[in-house]
Amino acid sequence: QSALTQPPSASGSPGQSVTISCTGTSSDVGGYNYVSWYQQHPGKAPKLMIYEVSRRPSGVPDRFSGSKSGNTASLTVSGLQAEDEADYYCSSYAGSNNPRVFGGGTKLTVL
Amino acid sequence: EVQLVESGGGLVQPGGSLRLSCAASGFTFSNFWMSWVRQAPGKGLEWVANIKQDGSEKYYVDSVKGRFTISRDNAKNSLYLQMNSLRAEDTAVYYCAKGQKTNDYWGQGTLVTVSS
Repeated sequence: QSALTQPPSASGSPGQSVTISCTGTSSDVGGYNYVSWYQQHPGKAPKLMIYEVSRRPSGVPDRFSGSKSGNTASLTVSGLQAEDEADYYCSSYAGSNNPRVFGGGTKLTVL
Repeated sequence: EVQLVESGGGLVQPGGSLRLSCAASGFTFSNFWMSWVRQAPGKGLEWVANIKQDGSEKYYVDSVKGRFTISRDNAKNSLYLQMNSLRAEDTAVYYCAKGQKTNDYWGQGTLVTVSS
């Protein structure tokens, strides 16, 4: 049950776009279309931003988008805003015996 | 409105036990898988366990197998996590979350501190 690999930090200026990667294996990210992304502000609970690789829950701005290629998933935040500054975690389903795995998290800074 | 409210956290000595509860409302609890996810201080999220709608399937992260037990009471719309033989490395905020492959709603968490 190894964690997915995310860069520890990412940054961008307001209005710019930033992409956060999430690398797994063929047993998790590459094997299933159940990658999700969570946003977490300090002291708060995580919030679902993207599910099933690229689907957005109701209420999440369309500035947030997800994609996947092979064993790597990506979250792109376009038109960066100050309130996007937070930690972002990816997660993947990993099969019936090891159901879930999370990435180590990426701290997004809006410069 | 979906609400998940955890309780039962606190300070416990190494080797001790604690039972966490999660009260769910705003959705048909018995229709959904439920999960526990934890976050050690200053660290990332770690999936801990999940349970099928009727409780017939339960899965755990390797580090808690044999020590933690997830359960649910659909009549009370409640999820539980019985934690035994607690270790310092179990210190974390424990979140109750709705869903199996995706967690679309999360509680605010309850802090468990394992220390002598």
